[in-house]
Amino acid sequence: LAKTTQPISMDSYEGQEVNITCSHNNIATNDYITWYQQFPSQGPRFIIQGYKTKVTNEVASLFIPADRKSSTLSLPRVSLSDTAVYYCLVGESWGKLQFGAGTQVVVTP
Amino acid sequence: DVKVTQSSRYLVKRTGEKVFLECVQDMDHENMFWYRQDPGLGLRLIYFSYDVKMKEKGDIPEGYSVSREKKERFSLILESASTNQTSMYLCASGGRRETQYFGPGTRLLVL
Repeated sequence: LAKTTQPISMDSYEGQEVNITCSHNNIATNDYITWYQQFPSQGPRFIIQGYKTKVTNEVASLFIPADRKSSTLSLPRVSLSDTAVYYCLVGESWGKLQFGAGTQVVVTP
Repeated sequence: DVKVTQSSRYLVKRTGEKVFLECVQDMDHENMFWYRQDPGLGLRLIYFSYDVKMKEKGDIPEGYSVSREKKERFSLILESASTNQTSMYLCASGGRRETQYFGPGTRLLVL
């Protein structure tokens, strides 16, 4: 399983864009990149998944360069409710996913 | 919406007791997973199942067993609970090329 490295924490103000970069140098050909969000005392929630280039949904965008050794989750115009831990995972999307420590994002007014 | 339910939100058990944690999903997913989450250690995979009656060990299977008799139900069993099994237990389900959907979690305290 490809190991991921992401910042431990990030602070932001409301209305700003937050970009979290995840490194996964040993990503395999069949691996997808998936991001989850977790609030305290709740299970993680899927945000976005991609294989290459750019993926966008109503919550976030995911940028993946051609070499796929890293990815960036972009949260546009964050609000206080976006304060959470964000996990970057790499693996075959149906199977074992390795959760790292995640990135604690704190949004303040 | 996918729904994953877990039998209890909070449980208190005594050392040596047998503990059953039940998980049910309503989306006909093939794969189901059990994780535990501890401060500073993140989520760790205990067991997963890719079909009825099939199971695979995750990263930390010691002290646990699982049962999958029906596609929608995946049970985690602590044969003899110990204090180091105090944790948040999270169940998830997912099909091929799909994401994992998590339940609300069961916070287990073993005294």
